[in-house]
Amino acid sequence: GIQVEQSPPDLILQEGANSTLRCNFSDSVNNLQWFHQNPWGQLINLFYIPSGTKQNGRLSATTVATERYSLLYISSSQTTDSGVYFCAVMGDKIIFGKGTRLHILP
Amino acid sequence: EAQVTQNPRYLITVTGKKLTVTCSQNMNHEYMSWYRQDPGLGLRQIYYSMNVEVTDKGDVPEGYKVSRKEKRNFPLILESPSPNQTSLYFCASSFGGISAYGYTFGSGTRLTVV
Repeated sequence: GIQVEQSPPDLILQEGANSTLRCNFSDSVNNLQWFHQNPWGQLINLFYIPSGTKQNGRLSATTVATERYSLLYISSSQTTDSGVYFCAVMGDKIIFGKGTRLHILP
Repeated sequence: EAQVTQNPRYLITVTGKKLTVTCSQNMNHEYMSWYRQDPGLGLRQIYYSMNVEVTDKGDVPEGYKVSRKEKRNFPLILESPSPNQTSLYFCASSFGGISAYGYTFGSGTRLTVV
């Protein structure tokens, strides 16, 4: 089946810093989604991005489907950005990566 | 408000005592799914359902049952819970897996089996 790998597994940054989270997948996929799990455990949709680039405020995402990776950019980090970021891909099944845990220090 | 509702939020039970975690969505979604989340392992799919009366195994179905008798409800049944089923459980729903229409998660159920 499709393998999804996220990097880095953990990231600690000072408030105001920028970060790039990566999601690699091993085969062609139909869809890709980024999620944020906040410190209270709630999972929230960020971007549906099977290809191309999207932006929403300080967050943006790019997927290069032909090279099988997606990037999530967070600019000017805030403490509320802390949590775990997951990417998920959909081939014949939905597969989640193991996530990147982000800590933003005040 | 469009949402996926799971109950209970927290549950402590004893080994072998049958339990059901309910999941209900009000968005008329065809696709529903259950996940468990464990430290270092991410989200693993237990079962999913493409529509009423259609269910399929995910990656970790052992020890779990599901049913989809109505479109809005997708309960997760543990017939004989064991301590290795202690985990954080999420229900999710959508119009068809991951798509531009979104993939909505419930708030989670933290289960402890002693």
